[in-house]
Amino acid sequence: EAQVTQNPRYLITVTGKKLTVTCSQNMNHEYMSWYRQDPGLGLRQIYYSMNVEVTDKGDVPEGYKVSRKEKRNFPLILESPSPNQTSLYFCASSSRGRTSEKLFFGSGTQLSVL
Amino acid sequence: GENVEQHPSTLSVQEGDSAVIKCTYSDSASNYFPWYKQELGKRPQLIIDIRSNVGEKKDQRIAVTLNKTAKHFSLHITETQPEDSAVYFCAASAPGNTPLVFGKGTRLSVIA
Repeated sequence: EAQVTQNPRYLITVTGKKLTVTCSQNMNHEYMSWYRQDPGLGLRQIYYSMNVEVTDKGDVPEGYKVSRKEKRNFPLILESPSPNQTSLYFCASSSRGRTSEKLFFGSGTQLSVL
Repeated sequence: GENVEQHPSTLSVQEGDSAVIKCTYSDSASNYFPWYKQELGKRPQLIIDIRSNVGEKKDQRIAVTLNKTAKHFSLHITETQPEDSAVYFCAASAPGNTPLVFGKGTRLSVIA
């Protein structure tokens, strides 16, 4: 089944404790992206990647890191999480390395930073 | 960069009535305009999209219209049903290495 898999689904952590949210897709998509969703603010892009070893900042990259060493994986790293990073996070992917194609979203990660 | 404005932020309609959600975009180079539906507790899913060489597209009860001159596009849902209740996001992107930019969303409630 074609899908984007995100883990974990829920995560509670404390300020300053490094964490990684994993994202993997099995559709051979070139394009992958991370979004955070906050009430009233919609889906804001954190980072995106057009292909392996190519990453770019989105609208809200501060406090986040990403890597794209393999085509299928695009982990989101929070080196020193802070309470303002409490949010619902979605990973997404699409084909042909272009954004003008259907985005497939993961099931989301609800992160709480205490 | 691209900026997408979406209105209204909330919309309530009676079952069977029509619903219209409107979006404007700023980048005249944008040529792809998808709409995503997010049900409560679920991930966003594409419901319809339109490209700049088309003025209107329909899929059963859902239609999208695009006015390139005015830089706005709209989602139309006819004969609304309770299962249409969700948050709807519009988005826009330009060709090349540019990301998809989302509007802030519209929470649609269909009252039975």
